[in-house]
Amino acid sequence: NAGVTQTPKFRVLKTGQSMTLLCAQDMNHEYMYWYRQDPGMGLRLIHYSVGEGTTAKGEVPDGYNVSRLKKQNFLLGLESAAPSQTSVYFCASSYITEAFFGQGTRLTVV
Amino acid sequence: AQSVSQHNHHVILSEAASLELGCNYSYGGTVNLFWYVQYPGQHLQLLLKYFSGDPLVKGIKGFEAEFIKSKFSFNLRKPSVQWSDTAEYFCAVNEPGGYQKVTFGIGTKLQVIP
Repeated sequence: NAGVTQTPKFRVLKTGQSMTLLCAQDMNHEYMYWYRQDPGMGLRLIHYSVGEGTTAKGEVPDGYNVSRLKKQNFLLGLESAAPSQTSVYFCASSYITEAFFGQGTRLTVV
Repeated sequence: AQSVSQHNHHVILSEAASLELGCNYSYGGTVNLFWYVQYPGQHLQLLLKYFSGDPLVKGIKGFEAEFIKSKFSFNLRKPSVQWSDTAEYFCAVNEPGGYQKVTFGIGTKLQVIP
C-alpha cells in the first residue's frame, strides 16, 4: 500500500497564480486533513474532512479551498497565491487510530 | 477546543544524555495521545501512542511516554539519546468517539551533539 501520497512534491508559483495540491490515500480512511508547517509554528490545520463530500475549516483556512469529491482524495486549492503561503504542506488521513502523513509539498510563492 | 502545549521548543543534548520532552493537553475527558517524530526533510511518523491501559507506553527506538491523567500530561522520555535522534517531535491529541480531529503541539526541535 502506498499510504498517503501527495503531488506535487515541490512547486514554485508567482504571486496571483493558482494551483491545486492533490492528496490520495488508499487506507479507506474517513478523515483527511491539510496542514501547513512553518518554522517555529508547528503544524497548523488548514481544512479537514470527516467524509466524502464534507469539508470544514481549520485554524488557518483563509486563502485556501478544499474539496473531497471522492473518499480517497482531498484537494487543496490556492486561487490566488500570496508569498505568505510559502510553506510546507502536509496531508494526513486517519480513522480511529493515528494519523498517517504524506511526504509533504514544499511550495514557494515569489 | 482542544489545545496541546509543548514547553520546550528547542533542546540541545549531548549523545548519551537523557531526554524528557513535556506535553500537556487541555481536554478533561478521555483522550488518545500520540508522539510523532519528523526527521530532517521527512514527513511525520508515529513514535508511540496511548489509548488506554498501562499509562507507560513504549514506542520505537527506545522512546517511552507516560500518561499522567491528573496532570493532563504525556511526556516523552528516552534514557540515552543518539545523534540519529536529531529531529522535531510533536505531541498530538484526539478525542475518541464521534469525529476525530488530531490537534498537534507546536513541536520541539531536538539537536543531539555527537
